[in-house]
Amino acid sequence: DTAVSQTPKYLVTQMGNDKSIKCEQNLGHDTMYWYKQDSKKFLKIMFSYNNKELIINETVPNRFSPKSPDKAHLNLHINSLELGDSAVYFCASSQRSAGQGTYNEQFFGPGTRLTVL
Amino acid sequence: DAKTTQPTSMDCAEGRAANLPCNHSTISGNEYVYWYRQIHSQGPQYIIHGLKNNETNEMASLIITEDRKSSTLILPHATLRDTAVYYCIVRVRLYSGSARQLTFGSGTQLTVLP
Repeated sequence: DTAVSQTPKYLVTQMGNDKSIKCEQNLGHDTMYWYKQDSKKFLKIMFSYNNKELIINETVPNRFSPKSPDKAHLNLHINSLELGDSAVYFCASSQRSAGQGTYNEQFFGPGTRLTVL
Repeated sequence: DAKTTQPTSMDCAEGRAANLPCNHSTISGNEYVYWYRQIHSQGPQYIIHGLKNNETNEMASLIITEDRKSSTLILPHATLRDTAVYYCIVRVRLYSGSARQLTFGSGTQLTVLP
């Protein structure tokens, strides 16, 4: 069973369009993340989210917005796509250790390659 | 999070031990050392983490120096499938705020040669 899944795997679209990438985790984790990996292979955090708190990387344009319909899903919506948004986007999840206030390791999805033409 | 320094690339013969170094000279007392890897076209994968004691699991061993300013990830018997970019990350494990996020550097490209 896939722990963290993303759809679609590939997404090709025109500049100016609005698109969404879906992420689901079946691990029962309480926190989910979105990362962006650019053409130079640098992985950067975009968002981390649980049912109480959204942490946004200050460098992320407000055209990007995470939406969580429930604890197992964190979808990424992107408005007015730009050429520079082309990248691979990874979803991840982790679980807080009960009673310890710490986080265990993160599990990553397979990635979504977004190409903006 | 403390900054880490890793070699850009390394080669290792199949079946031999791969030793990947990481410098983290500004590490704080409450920061852990994490290792992840990313095989080509896949998402990053957790390998191991430690605070100050050496750690071992089914994938690898982590050796942390006594002053905690550097560490080495050891893959005891490297296979071709271990070819990947290996990331050394230093951070606290706290639940709150941005501490929960991972900050990836450029990592080490390990190539296991047949």
